[in-house]
Amino acid sequence: AQSVTQLDSQVPVFEEAPVELRCNYSSSVSVYLFWYVQYPNQGLQLLLKYLSGSTLVESINGFEAEFNKSQTSFHLRKPSVHISDTAEYFCAVSSSYKLIFGSGTRLLVRP
Amino acid sequence: KAGVTQTPRYLIKTRGQQVTLSCSPISGHRSVSWYQQTPGQGLQFLFEYFSETQRNKGNFPGRFSGRQFSNSRSEMNVSTLELGDSALYLCASSLEKSQETQYFGPGTRLLVL
Repeated sequence: AQSVTQLDSQVPVFEEAPVELRCNYSSSVSVYLFWYVQYPNQGLQLLLKYLSGSTLVESINGFEAEFNKSQTSFHLRKPSVHISDTAEYFCAVSSSYKLIFGSGTRLLVRP
Repeated sequence: KAGVTQTPRYLIKTRGQQVTLSCSPISGHRSVSWYQQTPGQGLQFLFEYFSETQRNKGNFPGRFSGRQFSNSRSEMNVSTLELGDSALYLCASSLEKSQETQYFGPGTRLLVL
């Protein structure tokens, strides 16, 4: 069965510092990977996705993630975070018409 | 395009009651999925519908059921509510295929007393 692991439950970081949120998946078939962000009292918003092609995918707000098949990872990175990036981030893999989510990583950006 | 809408946004029920939640997908989207989000269990898949047919179901008891209408709108029902059913229920819509992006609504927050 497919699964997603987000080892870091919370990542505190200072504003303008770089950040990496880790995501590892287990799958024996082709994978379709997603990062979603959830702000307080809101639903999930798609941040970026990997379906095929280039292993480096980028979002419009400066985040990027790299699909690494050999390490079964899809880590999310941002070179310089803002206070407004404070939120919970979920990594997910798509399988059989459903998303399997990791447990989430709360990014806390401090001034 | 309007996003995924869910009604109601907030709901308070007592144990033993039943509840129906509604979801309207993005125009043109024919697949609707439901997820339960709780602090303890995280995000868990409930079921997915496409063209009024359930294509996949998660590991939830039979008290949780759903359906989809011909206009792709979907409802989920929880009967005989338990305290543990308190959660944020999220609906997501997508076009058709398994790997396509799911777009989420704001959720319905259910509190069972």
